[in-house]
Amino acid sequence: GESVGLHLPTLSVQEGDNSIINCAYSNSASDYFIWYKQESGKGPQFIIDIRSNMDKRQGQRVTVLLNKTVKHLSLQIAATQPGDSAVYFCAGGSNYKLTFGKGTLLTVNP
Amino acid sequence: DADVTQTPRNRITKTGKRIMLECSQTKGHDRMYWYRQDPGLGLRLIYYSFDVKDINKGEISDGYSVSRQAQAKFSLSLESAIPNQTALYFCATSDHAANYGYTFGSGTRLTVV
Repeated sequence: GESVGLHLPTLSVQEGDNSIINCAYSNSASDYFIWYKQESGKGPQFIIDIRSNMDKRQGQRVTVLLNKTVKHLSLQIAATQPGDSAVYFCAGGSNYKLTFGKGTLLTVNP
Repeated sequence: DADVTQTPRNRITKTGKRIMLECSQTKGHDRMYWYRQDPGLGLRLIYYSFDVKDINKGEISDGYSVSRQAQAKFSLSLESAIPNQTALYFCATSDHAANYGYTFGSGTRLTVV
């Protein structure tokens, strides 16, 4: 079955630095990937998505990279700010259902 | 008002009790989902519904049941709550045209003692 995991459970960065959060997936049939941000006491919020026929997609201060060869995707956050502190989840989609990874806690130090 | 509303926000219940968690949405989405979140395990799918007449089990449906009362309402029931069902529960919605564009509620924190 599908499994989606994260390489590191925690990541600590300095304000202004770039952050990179990694994720691996196992299901080759996954055709869609999403990154979510979850702040304390809130539900996950959509950040950025990418379809399996793409290898890079950029948003505002965020970039998602997809490497289908090694089944790996990453979320890059430019100029990380204190408001970016949260848990970040990757999710892989197949048959219109999402399977979530375990999450990485990003802490931004001032 | 939130697009996806979950009630209650917090609930403490005793082992063996029946409890219902409710979810309503104003987004007009046809698809609704219930996920459970445990520390270190991410979100796991309990049940999902692609329309009012469609109910499907997710990866961890044992001990749970659902009811899709209307397009906008999807409730999750624990028939006889047990302590290992203590978790944070999230309802989510999506539109068939948007595939995976999920919108999540704020969650229900359930404690079974």
